[in-house]
Amino acid sequence: GAVVSQHPSRVICKSGTSVKIECRSLDFQATTMFWYRQFPKKSLMLMATSNEGSKATYEQGVEKDKFLINHASLTLSTLTVTSAHPEDSSFYICSARISGGADTQYFGPGTRLTVL
Amino acid sequence: GENVEQHPSTLSVQEGDSAVIKCTYSDSASNYFPWYKQELGKRPQLIIDIRSNVGEKKDQRIAVTLNKTAKHFSLHITETQPEDSAVYFCAASRGGSYIPTFGRGTSLIVHP
Repeated sequence: GAVVSQHPSRVICKSGTSVKIECRSLDFQATTMFWYRQFPKKSLMLMATSNEGSKATYEQGVEKDKFLINHASLTLSTLTVTSAHPEDSSFYICSARISGGADTQYFGPGTRLTVL
Repeated sequence: GENVEQHPSTLSVQEGDSAVIKCTYSDSASNYFPWYKQELGKRPQLIIDIRSNVGEKKDQRIAVTLNKTAKHFSLHITETQPEDSAVYFCAASRGGSYIPTFGRGTSLIVHP
């Protein structure tokens, strides 16, 4: 149980285009989902907290107009990287907590974004 | 806010040895401390967690200890195996709706 999926797993796009990444909780409802960016030296950087039915809360330094987050249902959150640039190339990982459940976060498999 | 420091950043051991990874936290109200293992190219997965009402928890070769007074907690892996090689993350939070703060990770390498 408690499986989180992400789609796509890999995406290559041209500079200036937008890319949407989906995060789904497959067998549980998630009021809260988190979006992380993981750099090559392994640290997980929290970008934003996504709350179902309300606006996402962004961490300091993360541009909300560039990284659009939508959490329209209890099982789906999306991250759209708008006007992507090569410096946005990274590994993006989402995680989710079971609504009304324990504190455990369940991570998605990640999305490798490469911007040419 | 919470600040979590994790050491070492890299740990290299021989198969069969023990490995210890340490984390310190700053928020005395934190009460939930999970540890995640991330193998290369895969997602982080919870391997063990501890709450502030206990001082130690074990699961086979893995144990976590917590010292609330000193605000530090540690992951202990005994009889390490090559498949233990991965990046390990600690985290701390107040639980509930609070957002966990992660350490920067420890790359554990177990040499056969």
